[in-house]
Amino acid sequence: AQSVTQPDIHITVSEGASLELRCNYSYGATPYLFWYVQSPGQGLQLLLKYFSGDTLVQGIKGFEAEFKRSQSSFNLRKPSVHWSDAAEYFCAVGPFTGGGNKLTFGTGTQLKVEL
Amino acid sequence: DAGVIQSPRHEVTEMGQEVTLRCKPISGHDYLFWYRQTMMRGLELLIYFNNNVPIDDSGMPEDRFSAKMPNASFSTLKIQPSEPRDSAVYFCASSLVGAGSNTEAFFGQGTRLTVV
Repeated sequence: AQSVTQPDIHITVSEGASLELRCNYSYGATPYLFWYVQSPGQGLQLLLKYFSGDTLVQGIKGFEAEFKRSQSSFNLRKPSVHWSDAAEYFCAVGPFTGGGNKLTFGTGTQLKVEL
Repeated sequence: DAGVIQSPRHEVTEMGQEVTLRCKPISGHDYLFWYRQTMMRGLELLIYFNNNVPIDDSGMPEDRFSAKMPNASFSTLKIQPSEPRDSAVYFCASSLVGAGSNTEAFFGQGTRLTVV
């Protein structure tokens, strides 16, 4: 069965500091990997996704993520955090065949940004 | 496109009442998903449809929950009778079929259900 682990429930960073959110997955085949962001009271918005090719993927809002097959990881990074990045971040994995369907989500990481 | 539209945004109901949540997927999308988000269990997939046909309902918690998709532009999730433990945010999402870079799930803003 597929699973996603986000080991950090809460992270606090200062505005302007760099950010890395961890994600480890378990999947028996080639996965699709996603990062979503959820602002309070809102739905989930896709930040970026990986399905093949270059293991470093760029997303919206200055985020990037690196797929490391040997470590089963897909960590999200941003070089300089803005106060508006405060939100909850979800890593998700889905089957390669049939696209990003039937996603399994991690439990989320709540990001707080200190001014 | 206005995106995935869910209604109502908020629902408060008494235990034992029937609750119906509604979803309009993005036009042209082949897949529709219902997720539930709670503090205890995070985001869980309840059921998904492909071309209006239910494909996997293994995530539906029990017989009190049912979902339908009568046509490509509308789906409902019904809880009858509702219980306090059903209180959660319910998300609907839609996506295109097939692998490739165009595949991602687009989420609605959710329905926050409170059963008292």
